[in-house]
Amino acid sequence: EAGVTQFPSHSVIEKGQTVTLRCDPISGHDNLYWYRRVMGKEIKFLLHFVKESKQDESGMPNNRFLAERTGGTYSTLKVQPAELEDSGVYFCASSPRAGDVGGELFFGEGSRLTVL
Amino acid sequence: AQTVTQSQPEMSVQEAETVTLSCTYDTSESDYYLFWYKQPPSRQMILVIRQEAYKQQNATENRFSVNFQKAAKSFSLKISDSQLGDAAMYFCAYRRKTGLTFGEGTQLTVNP
Repeated sequence: EAGVTQFPSHSVIEKGQTVTLRCDPISGHDNLYWYRRVMGKEIKFLLHFVKESKQDESGMPNNRFLAERTGGTYSTLKVQPAELEDSGVYFCASSPRAGDVGGELFFGEGSRLTVL
Repeated sequence: AQTVTQSQPEMSVQEAETVTLSCTYDTSESDYYLFWYKQPPSRQMILVIRQEAYKQQNATENRFSVNFQKAAKSFSLKISDSQLGDAAMYFCAYRRKTGLTFGEGTQLTVNP
């Protein structure tokens, strides 16, 4: 069974440009999460989808970030326009059942974003 | 808001010896879950061990065990008989309803 996959693994863009990160969760997983680790600091929550609906987007830094989850399958996270402070590693995770607070999250390898 | 603190940015251990990674957290909730995840270099994070707060018994998974002190809000990870493959970044995490709150991580080096 394929794990959580993320694309691209590394993206280098200029300030002001747009980048779209993609996450394919494990098939059948209802929950999809986006996290970000900036400058070696702690990993911070961005948002949580249950199927195609945004359950919690309280961690999204500002309106330059837009996340979607098409048909409850893969998800995209678009940053437009990118700023220097957006550089970091963006992790995606999925878990099987909605409401399973104690369940394991399965993580992708992360997408490293560098904004110059 | 919940916070998770890992006070040891880096730790090292000799192969076959034991090491303990510290984690403290702050919460006003009584029922929650705590996790340790590890991230090897250039690999995805994987679950090491999980503890349910309402269970007093400390969780164990082979060479990995936790010391869960609920009153002190402490959740340390003990790795026994350390192996070279244990070298990784270790993250302590608190589970809230819609996701995890992570600590800053502890980079563990295992020396042969």
